[in-house]
Amino acid sequence: DAGVIQSPRHEVTEMGQEVTLRCKPISGHNSLFWYRQTMMRGLELLIYFNNNVPIDDSGMPEDRFSAKMPNASFSTLKIQPSEPRDSAVYFCASSLSGNPTYEQYFGPGTRLTVT
Amino acid sequence: KQEVTQIPAALSVPEGENLVLNCSFTDSAIYNLQWFRQDPGKGLTSLLLIQSSQREQTSGRLNASLDKSSGRSTLYIAASQPGDSATYLCAVRNDYKLSFGAGTTVTVRA
Repeated sequence: DAGVIQSPRHEVTEMGQEVTLRCKPISGHNSLFWYRQTMMRGLELLIYFNNNVPIDDSGMPEDRFSAKMPNASFSTLKIQPSEPRDSAVYFCASSLSGNPTYEQYFGPGTRLTVT
Repeated sequence: KQEVTQIPAALSVPEGENLVLNCSFTDSAIYNLQWFRQDPGKGLTSLLLIQSSQREQTSGRLNASLDKSSGRSTLYIAASQPGDSATYLCAVRNDYKLSFGAGTTVTVRA
């Protein structure tokens, strides 16, 4: 099992540019989560998908952020336009909602730097 | 809203000493609690998951206890080693949502 795969691992971009982060969940998992980690705010849930449908996007900071899950094996998180305060590590996690423990498995993260 | 607090924020111990990491949460209506390890610049590794009906879980040198009614969990690491140096995060699950503490950064001195 390859685990949750995220790309790119590192992204450096200039303010105003569009950034797209990608995630491939563990095969068979039907829940997907995007988190952001910063020194100031720690780990925060941005958005939660279940069976490819966004269930809770209350953590998305503003309209510049959008997320999609076109199929069970792929999700994207897009920031347009990016700002320096978006610099953070973005994690994707997946789980199987029918599993009693509902344990989430995390990807290695994408470190985003916006200059 | 669930609030998760971890104390202390940082801990430095000599090799061989036992580690005690604390986690408290405000909403006791949880499904489970997870302890994660995070190495610098790396992702999260799940260490232990305790269901709300359980009092403790053990894995090797790690033991985690849960007192749901008082909103507390403790992670014990026996006979610490330099390789245990990392940040340890506590996360509490309500419904589908995981709420994380800020972490305890542990340094084990050789």
